[in-house]
Order: sequence, then C-alpha cells, then structure tokens
Amino acid sequence: QSVLTQPPSVSAAPGQKVTISCSGSSSNIRNNYVSWYQQLPGTAPKLLIYEDNKRPSGIPDRFSGSKSGTSATLGITGLQTGDEADYYCGTWDSSLSARVFGGGTKLTVL
Amino acid sequence: QVQLQQWGAGLLKPSETLSLTCGVFGGSFSGYSWTWIRQPPGKGLEWIGEINHSGSTNYNPSLKSRVTISVDTSKNHFSLRLSSVTAADTAIYYCARTTTTVVTPTSVAASLDYWGQGTLVTVSS
Repeated sequence: QSVLTQPPSVSAAPGQKVTISCSGSSSNIRNNYVSWYQQLPGTAPKLLIYEDNKRPSGIPDRFSGSKSGTSATLGITGLQTGDEADYYCGTWDSSLSARVFGGGTKLTVL
Repeated sequence: QVQLQQWGAGLLKPSETLSLTCGVFGGSFSGYSWTWIRQPPGKGLEWIGEINHSGSTNYNPSLKSRVTISVDTSKNHFSLRLSSVTAADTAIYYCARTTTTVVTPTSVAASLDYWGQGTLVTVSS
C-alpha cells in the first residue's frame, strides 16, 4: 500500500491528452514539492517534473505538472507511442521522515 | 554529463547481507544527497534511504534496522548494505542522485535527477 495514490492505468489515443493524478495528505503533497518520473520498459526511472511543475532540461513541454492541496497531476499532451511507460509521483513525507512514491500508473497509447 | 554506475552481487541466500556500490562520474559529489531505491519485480518504487556528502543519513523506517548507507568521497562512491535478506528483498536496486532545490522550515523540494542502471538482486536458497 503506497502512501501516495495513483490510478493503476490510463490510456488515450495518439495525439490526445492524458492526466495522471497523485493523491496524498498534508504531511506529504500539501507541504512538500512533488516530482514525477517516467519509467520506460526495462529501464531506470527518469525525472520528468520537479518542484511540482518544472521540467529538467531536455524534457519537452508536452509534459506538465500541477498541484492543488493534497493532490498533484501530471499532464501529457500530444501523446506518442513512445510515451508508453509507467509514471510515478514522489515527494517527502514530513511525518514519516521518508521519501514516498505513488504506486505507479501505466500509460497505454492506443 | 553525470553518470551513475552500480555494481554488486546479484544472487544471495536468505540471511546473507546485500552489498552494492554506486560510482558517480562526471559531476560534483558534494552538495547532493545519494540515494538507494528498490523495485520488486512488477511492482513500484520503494525508497531505501539516502546519505549526503558529509555522511548524514536518512533511512526508510521499515528497513532502518537492517540498512547501512555509507559514502567514500575520495572515490566518489556510495554503498548500500542490507542485512539478513529474505525473498521479500528480491528487487531491482537503483542508486540515484538527489538534488534538493528548496528547503524552508515547512517544505522541501528534492528530486532524483540521475539514476544508475539498476541491479537485480535475487534472494533464493
């Protein structure tokens, strides 16, 4: 059981937009910044979003992050088949004094 | 370009100690925290713990009694030891760099911006 809650799977057609939610609490998402990671099949995770909504160099602006209260959202526009991956949210939990992740969401581009 | 390369034994017997090392190449070692994450086959990510360049550590409370993370700044290496392993510790283990960009009295922003390639560790008798 993950501290952060994500939907197990989402799907959309190429070119469309999808959002992935990440729900937490005041001890994690509300009071700390969220990052998002993309894990392509058979590879290590890759940082997509940091500080809730900032993109590292090299990450296209099709990827965006937002946060409101105890929930965060990853948005992906202009879906491509190469976006098929598992996506994880993560943040610090001040009560647990631990870094926590969501259970991951598998994105399928139909 | 920062690269993390990890190595260590991939097959252990129950009750043995897992030992992995991660080398950091192409970037500064100081000013960051260095982290271990694991991922059981087909499952999600679990944070094991982290260490900063001065040796201060944070561990996952669920693993704290069995985990030791250490750093060798002279070699730009950091290491993980997990004692008394069982089949439940079978996972891909990743090392990663944690960059902290915001620290206030009430909030932290830290992200794992570079990752190692992962090492599959299997615990089996």
